[in-house]
Amino acid sequence: GQNIDQPTEMTATEGAIVQINCTYQTSGFNGLFWYQQHAGEAPTFLSYNVLDGLEEKGRFSSFLSRSKGYSYLLLKELQMKDSASYLCAVMDSNYQLIWGAGTKLIIKP
Amino acid sequence: SAVISQKPSRDICQRGTSLTIQCQVDSQVTMMFWYRQQPGQSLTLIATANQGSEATYESGFVIDKFPISRPNLTFSTLTVSNMSPEDSSIYLCSVSTGEGTEAFFGQGTRLTVV
Repeated sequence: GQNIDQPTEMTATEGAIVQINCTYQTSGFNGLFWYQQHAGEAPTFLSYNVLDGLEEKGRFSSFLSRSKGYSYLLLKELQMKDSASYLCAVMDSNYQLIWGAGTKLIIKP
Repeated sequence: SAVISQKPSRDICQRGTSLTIQCQVDSQVTMMFWYRQQPGQSLTLIATANQGSEATYESGFVIDKFPISRPNLTFSTLTVSNMSPEDSSIYLCSVSTGEGTEAFFGQGTRLTVV
């Protein structure tokens, strides 16, 4: 079966760095996405990785290792507004998105 | 990118009734999807809306319960039929402009069935 695993909840301090991990097992791979979802709102796109390595976009970076079925989202200089759920999703061989359950990130002052 | 307008944003409905949710996109898109998201849980794909033909439903979802229309490349509707409290959830419309590209989401419809 297809499976996406990510931690349920993480806590970090304002100004610090946090890494959210995602491991996956899917039938085929056509890229991995990270989305941010604030409570009561729709998910918004953060990043897309299809090749191994690190993609940096401002305070957010995303890493992919296809051989290990592993990705992480790195958030730097955390701000209170970063408190949200972060969803990992993998596009399988049918170009369908398989979603993780999301990681709720709590930022403390 | 695509801008999606989803209506209504929320509704409270009586059990046994039906609700139709609309999704309008500001540009022609290849793929349109309907998801359900229970509180604190991941997104569950209900179906892929196919333009001019019947939607493709995921396991556990049937057309009689969740009829979907997609008359053109910019518009789709999802109906939640004969509702029960178990249908209380957030329903999300999502679009993609092609394979391997990111999905964009509507604002979601928060449905409460009483």
